[in-house]
Amino acid sequence: DGGITQSPKYLFRKEGQNVTLSCEQNLNHDAMYWYRQDPGQGLRLIYYSQIVNDFQKGDIAEGYSVSREKKESFPLTVTSAQKNPTAFYLCASSTNHQGGRNEQFFGPGTRLTVL
Amino acid sequence: KQEVTQIPAALSVPEGENLVLNCSFTDSAIYNLQWFRQDPGKGLTSLLLIQSSQREQTSGRLNASLDKSSGRSTLYIAASQPGDSATYLCAVSNYQLIWGAGTKLIIKP
Repeated sequence: DGGITQSPKYLFRKEGQNVTLSCEQNLNHDAMYWYRQDPGQGLRLIYYSQIVNDFQKGDIAEGYSVSREKKESFPLTVTSAQKNPTAFYLCASSTNHQGGRNEQFFGPGTRLTVL
Repeated sequence: KQEVTQIPAALSVPEGENLVLNCSFTDSAIYNLQWFRQDPGKGLTSLLLIQSSQREQTSGRLNASLDKSSGRSTLYIAASQPGDSATYLCAVSNYQLIWGAGTKLIIKP
C-alpha cells in the first residue's frame, strides 16, 4: 500500500537534546512538508522540500533542521534551540509543490513531549 | 496576510441531523480550498478539494461549497453518524497551505 509513515509515534525529549523525527513516503511524490500542530491553532509550516537536495524554510523554521537526501525520506531534527518543542508533528507529501496547489497526503504524526 | 477562521470551534449534534461547518478566509486570491478530517491523535485525511474555478464538490454525504468573492466555504454533512465525530479542518492554497484551527464535531448517538 502506498502511503506516508512517521516514526516514532511518541517521543520524549530532555531539555538540551536534539531529536530526529522520521518521515518516509512510497507515493513517488516530489514534494514533502513538515507541519507543527498545537491545540487550538491551525497547522504551521516548518520546512518543505520540492525536490531531492533542496528545501525551504516555512513560517516557523527556527530551532528545526531538515535534510532531503532521498526522494522517499524527509527527516526533521528538533534542536535544543527550539524553546517550546512540545507539539504534534505532521509530515505530508504531494506530487509536486506547484505553489501549494496540489492535494497533500499526511502521515499519522509524531507527538513530541519535552520532559 | 491570509487568515483562515473556522467557527464554531466545537459543535455537538444528535445523530441523523444535517449540519454545516464554516470556513472563512481574508484573501480571495487562492488556488484551491481543501477540507480535511482529523481523528484524535491521528494524521489528516483529505475529504474534498475545490479548485478556485469551482463552486462545489461532493463526495458521498459530504458537499463542500466555495464562494471566493465573499471568502467563505461550507462543508455540509448529510444524515450525520457517530462515526463522523472528528475535527474538521479547512486550508486555502496560496503558494502554501494556510490552515484554520478546525471545528471539533461530536455526533451524539
